[in-house]
Amino acid sequence: KAGVTQTPRYLIKTRGQQVTLSCSPISGHRSVSWYQQTPGQGLQFLFEYFSETQRNKGNFPGRFSGRQFSNSRSEMNVSTLELGDSALYLCASSVTGGSSYNEQFFGPGTRLTVL
Amino acid sequence: QQQVKQSPQSLIVQKGGISIINCAYENTAFDYFPWYQQFPGKGPALLIAIRPDVSEKKEGRFTISFNKSAKQFSLHIMDSQPGDSATYFCAAQTGANNLFFGTGTRLTVIP
Repeated sequence: KAGVTQTPRYLIKTRGQQVTLSCSPISGHRSVSWYQQTPGQGLQFLFEYFSETQRNKGNFPGRFSGRQFSNSRSEMNVSTLELGDSALYLCASSVTGGSSYNEQFFGPGTRLTVL
Repeated sequence: QQQVKQSPQSLIVQKGGISIINCAYENTAFDYFPWYQQFPGKGPALLIAIRPDVSEKKEGRFTISFNKSAKQFSLHIMDSQPGDSATYFCAAQTGANNLFFGTGTRLTVIP
């Protein structure tokens, strides 16, 4: 069974630009969560999508948004990029949502560098 | 505010030794406590997880000890191997699918 895939793996953007990251969950998984990983703040939850609906949201500004498609694939968008947005963006999928017993499987991440 | 506090930040252990990483939390709504292992350039991978109705869970060389009254849990890696050298994250989760992570422990196992 293929794991969680994320594209692109690396991305370089300049301040003010916007970026879209993509995540394909494990087949059969309907929940997709996004996390930001930085050396200073560690791993922080961005948001979770389940059945094309955002169910949970972390404490990030509105410049960070996402969506989920009917095939469970998800995209994350960051508008008006700031230097501080440089991070590893991780996507995790799980079978369902709303239960704390669902293991979340992480993808390899997209390394975003903002210049 | 860090919802899950993890220590130590880094740990050096001799091959064959025991590695111990500790975590503490405040939110009693947390009901699932996983540990993740992350190698450079990779995403975190689930190592072992525990629910608060169990005080200990063992899988191979990895054991979680859970103290509900103290709101603390720890990871023990027995017979540590150089291949265990990685960053370890504890985490906690409520019914929602959002994990609150500790700050990570960089483990180095010396041959």
